[in-house]
Amino acid sequence: NAGVTQTPKFQVLKTGQSMTLQCAQDMNHEYMSWYRQDPGMGLRLIHYSVGAGITDQGEVPNGYNVSRSTTEDFPLRLLSAAPSQTSVYFCASSPFPGVGYEQYFGPGTRLTVT
Amino acid sequence: SQQGEEDPQALSIQEGENATMNCSYKTSINNLQWYRQNSGRGLVHLILIRSNEREKHSGRLRVTLDTSKKSSSLLITASRAADTASYFCATERGSYIPTFGRGTSLIVHP
Repeated sequence: NAGVTQTPKFQVLKTGQSMTLQCAQDMNHEYMSWYRQDPGMGLRLIHYSVGAGITDQGEVPNGYNVSRSTTEDFPLRLLSAAPSQTSVYFCASSPFPGVGYEQYFGPGTRLTVT
Repeated sequence: SQQGEEDPQALSIQEGENATMNCSYKTSINNLQWYRQNSGRGLVHLILIRSNEREKHSGRLRVTLDTSKKSSSLLITASRAADTASYFCATERGSYIPTFGRGTSLIVHP
């Protein structure tokens, strides 16, 4: 199993550009989520999904969209990039929602918005 | 706001020493997890402890949970340079959403 994969690993955007961060998992996990990690802030939840066709907002959803058309994929879209979105983005999955299940993290995407 | 908060923010020790970090949380939980993050990498799950458990061991890791004090501790015994990483606790926010603290940065000097 590849686990959780994320692409790209690095990305530089100009303010106002849009892009999609890709996330895929091959473990048939129902729960998937996106976090951003900023220095001194820990991980903050952006959006999450409890299954195909179901998404919901996390702690910091503004400026981001998600969709979950398949169990495997959970892309994160930046609609109009802003410097405040410079961060490292992690995708994670687990068999089901809840802290009772181990979360598997991808390697991250380091995004810089200039 | 974070449900769980790790303490201390940073910890620097010598190889062979024990490292202890703590996690405090605000509302009742059913489960608590600890994760490790090596520099530039994603988080890796270390251990899960449930609310009806007081202590769990995994190799050189020992996790305790005190639900009356709403706190957990992670002890790494006989630390190695390879244990240098950030350590996070994850607790539930609301019904089931995992929430992470800001982490403890551990440096183990050879």
